[in-house]
Amino acid sequence: NAGVTQTPKFQVLKTGQSMTLQCAQDMNHEYMSWYRQDPGMGLRLIHYSVGAGITDQGEVPNGYNVSRSTTEDFPLRLLSAAPSQTSVYFCASSYSTGWEYSPLHFGNGTRLTVT
Amino acid sequence: DQQVKQNSPSLSVQEGRISILNCDYTNSMFDYFLWYKKYPAEGPTFLISISSIKDKNEDGRFTVFLNKSAKHLSLHIVPSQPGDSAVYFCAAKGTDSSYKLIFGSGTRLLVRP
Repeated sequence: NAGVTQTPKFQVLKTGQSMTLQCAQDMNHEYMSWYRQDPGMGLRLIHYSVGAGITDQGEVPNGYNVSRSTTEDFPLRLLSAAPSQTSVYFCASSYSTGWEYSPLHFGNGTRLTVT
Repeated sequence: DQQVKQNSPSLSVQEGRISILNCDYTNSMFDYFLWYKKYPAEGPTFLISISSIKDKNEDGRFTVFLNKSAKHLSLHIVPSQPGDSAVYFCAAKGTDSSYKLIFGSGTRLLVRP
């Protein structure tokens, strides 16, 4: 079982560059989300999607775009990278938002450094 | 303004003893709470959860207690094992925003052999 797959595992960008973090799941999950993990801040929600064609903002959406054209994929785009976006990014999915029955499944993360 | 707080960044316990990890929250609309465990270079994995209609949920060595009046929950691990060494995150879901899980900052647990 692949579960939630994130690519790349590591990335270094220069300030102002753009890039896309890829996320794919093979569990037919409707709900997908992106979190960033920073020291002392825990996991903060960037964007989420409750199904193909539907996305919404989380706690820290500025500087990021998402789209959900298929159930399987949920890419995260950094439009113009800034050093403040240096972080570890996690993609997560769930069958539904009934967390009682379907907890979030996380990928193994992408470590991004912006210089 | 953190709605879910884990005030202890780290905890060290002896193997075989009890580990108690604490979590406080401020939003009275939270109605479901979860604990996740994270090893280095891996994503968090679900451990145990509790609904606000309960005050205790148990799964093997893991028990979560919820004190709604104090807006406090705790995770007890008994007995602790070296393999339990990881970062533990508390998370909460609110009735006002069921699509969002809000996480705390995590507590790093070290279980000494």
